[in-house]
Amino acid sequence: DIQMTQSPSSLSASIGDRVTITCRASQSIAGHLNWYQQKPEKAPKVLIYGASTLQSGVPLRFSGSGFGSEFTLTISSLQPEDFATYYCQQSYTEPRTFGQGTKLQIQ
Amino acid sequence: QVQMVQSGAEVKNPGASVRVSCKASGYTFTTYGISWVRQARGQGLEWMGWISAYSGDTKYAQKFQGRVTMTRDTSTRTAYLDLRSLTSDDSAVYYCVREAEVSRVVYFLYWGQGTLVTVSS
Repeated sequence: DIQMTQSPSSLSASIGDRVTITCRASQSIAGHLNWYQQKPEKAPKVLIYGASTLQSGVPLRFSGSGFGSEFTLTISSLQPEDFATYYCQQSYTEPRTFGQGTKLQIQ
Repeated sequence: QVQMVQSGAEVKNPGASVRVSCKASGYTFTTYGISWVRQARGQGLEWMGWISAYSGDTKYAQKFQGRVTMTRDTSTRTAYLDLRSLTSDDSAVYYCVREAEVSRVVYFLYWGQGTLVTVSS
């Protein structure tokens, strides 16, 4: 199975900060990397697919980059509604494994 | 609009089985695969497996092989997750998810509301 490792596991930041979350795959997954946002008691929501394509309706302050085995999710200027848990996921092969999550909290 | 509506919460004894249903609407059911993802309280997301709504072909995570069955009924546009020999470790919220695919990249676009399964004696 491909292991997905996110860092950091938790992060405190302030409104307006630029934040970057990293996701590493245990082997190359080309560009088959997706990012999800999950708020408490809610289902996850896709933000970015294919490493860098913004899902329709997602604010432009979210961006993704990377290829192969290292990927990043960047939020350019944190807004109050961005405080949530973020997961990466590889869809290169089954099982479609997720990272362990990064909890973004208000500082 | 696309909706994935799941069945209600379940409470089961250890050793029992549970069936969770997921009724799809708003798109051609047989066009997209459906995955099942679970999340224990306070924990991360765990992919359990996938079913082709078109053919019924399945792929299961090794962890659940022999204990899980995913099926679908095209006449009612419903997918089912059956999980047997439940233990307390299976207590979780179970999500069905309709996939999307763009340029051969698959991602999880439409999520059900989740079904809480509690395993307790």
